[in-house]
Amino acid sequence: GAVVSQHPSRVICKSGTSVKIECRSLDFQATTMFWYRQFPKQSLMLMATSNEGSKATYEQGVEKDKFLINHASLTLSTLTVTSAHPEDSSFYICSASVVSGANVLTFGAGSRLTVL
Amino acid sequence: GENVEQHPSTLSVQEGDSAVIKCTYSDSASNYFPWYKQELGKGPQLIIDIRSNVGEKKDQRIAVTLNKTAKHFSLHITETQPEDSAVYFCAASRGAGSYQLTFGKGTKLSVIP
Repeated sequence: GAVVSQHPSRVICKSGTSVKIECRSLDFQATTMFWYRQFPKQSLMLMATSNEGSKATYEQGVEKDKFLINHASLTLSTLTVTSAHPEDSSFYICSASVVSGANVLTFGAGSRLTVL
Repeated sequence: GENVEQHPSTLSVQEGDSAVIKCTYSDSASNYFPWYKQELGKGPQLIIDIRSNVGEKKDQRIAVTLNKTAKHFSLHITETQPEDSAVYFCAASRGAGSYQLTFGKGTKLSVIP
C-alpha cells in the first residue's frame, strides 16, 4: 500500500531557529499533500494544502511566512517552521493522496517539534 | 464549512465487549467518511471508510454505518482486544477530487483486559 515517510520524527530546537520537516511519498506520486498540526489530546487541524509546482494554500489563521511549504516534486513536500518559538511546539503530520486515487489519504508518522 | 462532531470523547470497555463511536456532520455535500486509528506518538492509520452510496461496510471486527438522511455515521468494533486501545478519529469530505478532510475531536478508547 501507499507509504508516507516523515522526517525527522522528533526535533528539539532553540527559540529563534528554523526547522525543516520532510514528507515523502515512497511508492506513489502525490500531486497534493496536506500538513496538519495536532496539540496534545486534540484533533488534527489542517494548516495548509501543498500542491506540486505551485504555491501552498493556507488555512485561515496560519501564517504563511512562518510556516513555509515547498512541494518541489511529486514525492516530496517540506514544511519549514521559521523563527520557531515555544508556542510552535506541536506534533506536525503530513498526508498525501494518490494521484489517481479517490480521495484516500495516507498519513505520515508525524514529527514532534519541541522549541526550548 | 463542514463541522464534524464526535462522541464520546473517552470510552472504556472490557475486553471482548463491543465499542461504538458516533459522528455527525453538517455538510450534506460530504460523501466520503473515513475512520482513523492513532496510537500514541504516531500518525493516523486508516482503518475503514465508507462512501455515501452505501449504508454499511464491514471488515472483520470493524464496521461502519452511514445514515445520510440524519447525517451521522458510526464505527463499531466487536470483540475488542487490548491492542484496539487508541484514539479514533472520524472525518468527512466532499470527495469528487477534494481530499480535504474535516476531523472529529477524537475518541480515546481503552480496552480493559
